[in-house]
Amino acid sequence: AQRVTQPEKLLSVFKGAPVELKCNYSYSGSPELFWYVQYSRQRLQLLLRHISRESIKGFTADLNKGETSFHLKKPFAQEEDSAMYYCALRAGNTPLVFGKGTRLSVIA
Amino acid sequence: GAGVSQSPSNKVTEKGKDVELRCDPISGHTALYWYRQSLGQGLEFLIYFQGNSAPDKSGLPSDRFSAERTGGSVSTLTIQRTQQEDSAVYLCASSPRTGDNEQFFGPGTRLTVL
Repeated sequence: AQRVTQPEKLLSVFKGAPVELKCNYSYSGSPELFWYVQYSRQRLQLLLRHISRESIKGFTADLNKGETSFHLKKPFAQEEDSAMYYCALRAGNTPLVFGKGTRLSVIA
Repeated sequence: GAGVSQSPSNKVTEKGKDVELRCDPISGHTALYWYRQSLGQGLEFLIYFQGNSAPDKSGLPSDRFSAERTGGSVSTLTIQRTQQEDSAVYLCASSPRTGDNEQFFGPGTRLTVL
């Protein structure tokens, strides 16, 4: 079965500091990986997907198949980055499997 | 166009009562998903629909939970004989097809069982 692990429930960083939100997955095939974000009082929304290899709001994530990881990174955290972040995996034509989420708190 | 909508936004009920939660997906989206969001448990998959059929009901926590979808549009999630541990935010999402990359989420229904 597919599984997504986000080891940190809460991550606090100072404004301007680098951020790394960890995500590891278990799946024997070729997965599709995503990061979703939920800002305060807003809906859960897609942040980025690994196949796009894009940078959104300064965030990037690289799929490392050897380490089965898809960590989310940003070099300089901003206060507006404070939110709940969920890593998600899709295996084939199935619904997304989400991790338990990491709450990022950026301290001014 | 309008996004996914859910009603009610908040529901407070007494233990043992039945509740119905409603989801209106984005028009034209054939895939619809229900998740439960609670502290410490993250996003827990409950069930999804492709059209009106539910290929995977394995995420439903117990037989007190059921869901249906009619006309390929609106879906209702019913919880019978609610328990305090059912308290959570219930999220609905939709996508054009099951295999689509992006799922569009509704605002959720916050259920509190007293």
